[in-house]
Amino acid sequence: EVQLLESGGGLVQPGGSLRLSCAASGFTFSNYAMSWVRQAPGKGLEWISGIRGSGGSTRYADSVKGRFTISRDNSENTLYLQMSSLRAEDTAVYYCAKDDEDGDINYYDCWGQGTLVTVSS
Amino acid sequence: DIQMTQSPSILSASVGDRVTITCRASQSIRSWLAWYQQKPGKAPNLLIYKASSLKSGVPSRFSGSGSGPEFTLTISSLQPDDFATYYCQQYNSYSSFGQGTKLEIK
Repeated sequence: EVQLLESGGGLVQPGGSLRLSCAASGFTFSNYAMSWVRQAPGKGLEWISGIRGSGGSTRYADSVKGRFTISRDNSENTLYLQMSSLRAEDTAVYYCAKDDEDGDINYYDCWGQGTLVTVSS
Repeated sequence: DIQMTQSPSILSASVGDRVTITCRASQSIRSWLAWYQQKPGKAPNLLIYKASSLKSGVPSRFSGSGSGPEFTLTISSLQPDDFATYYCQQYNSYSSFGQGTKLEIK
């Protein structure tokens, strides 16, 4: 069974940093692209970043480009999102999602349960 | 950037009704469209990909159609478990979602 388990969320001050992790199991992790999608409280879904299976290609939404870094450790089956220069508008539940294949742009066939990031002083 | 617009934003319906949700892209996305269902406090769940392909295990009362800029998600006979929020996603150029359609009990 495919499982994704996010961790690392919490309360952080504006301008601060946080690293999210997503532990994957039940599939050959390195064979699939992975993505981060967030959802602000009461709002819709926003794709923010994706990474190919090898880790060699990454993409970012304009809203986080230059502040967030996606990475993965295929030996540990773990996806990361390093977030810096956090703003109040980054407050959201962050989901990791498994892409349907190892491509640049895909749909998501499995999602984690999400981790809440709150940016507030 | 490709903008996705769903209509309606809120849909009131009864068990047994046939309902349709529309998703329009700001430019052609061919058939690179997916639909998700999300219940409160839960992660989204994939229903349909490539505009009309049903994910394995999803009930056949769900169907998708369309291409280019306009798509629809149809639920043929609403069941109590179907009351949720539905999102479309284009994956033709980067990735973007519609704003969601909340399907509520009439």
